[in-house]
Amino acid sequence: AQTVTQSQPEMSVQEAETVTLSCTYDTSESDYYLFWYKQPPSRQMILVIRQEAYKQQNATENRFSVNFQKAAKSFSLKISDSQLGDAAMYFCASNYGQNFVFGPGTRLSVLP
Amino acid sequence: DAGVIQSPRHEVTEMGQEVTLRCKPISGHNSLFWYRQTMMRGLELLIYFNNNVPIDDSGMPEDRFSAKMPNASFSTLKIQPSEPRDSAVYFCASSLYGLPNTGELFFGEGSRLTVL
Repeated sequence: AQTVTQSQPEMSVQEAETVTLSCTYDTSESDYYLFWYKQPPSRQMILVIRQEAYKQQNATENRFSVNFQKAAKSFSLKISDSQLGDAAMYFCASNYGQNFVFGPGTRLSVLP
Repeated sequence: DAGVIQSPRHEVTEMGQEVTLRCKPISGHNSLFWYRQTMMRGLELLIYFNNNVPIDDSGMPEDRFSAKMPNASFSTLKIQPSEPRDSAVYFCASSLYGLPNTGELFFGEGSRLTVL
């Protein structure tokens, strides 16, 4: 069975600074997808970034990037130049064959 | 393109009443998921359908909950009778299973249910 762990229930970062959110997962599969979703107070779940496990290159989307360590089963999210609008719950998730598993989430606060 | 559409956005009802939540997945998607989100339990998968067929309903809490997908563009989640502990945000999500796909889930805006 797949599991996803986020060990940081809450994090905070100063505006314009960089923050890294941690995620570890466990799967016996070799090919799968990993995601970070953002849930702002509006509660809409928004995809932030996606990583395909067979790709070694770390995914990047503007200010968001991941550090994907397949052997260590680690998938951290780095947010650069943090903005007030980045404040939200962030969920790490994995998917293999429509088996989507979500972590418990990390609440990120951005301090002005 | 329209995303996943859920209705109602908010529902307040009294204990014992029937509640029906509705979902229209993204056109062309063949998998549909119902999730429940609470502070205590986080995001829980209730049931998912593939090609309108329920594949895994092990997350459905009890017989009071039922879900249907009569066609590829519509699904319902029904709670009868409702109880205060059912108060939560219910999300519908869809995805495309099979190639080509990006492997991601597309979520609706959620239905916030309050049972008094």
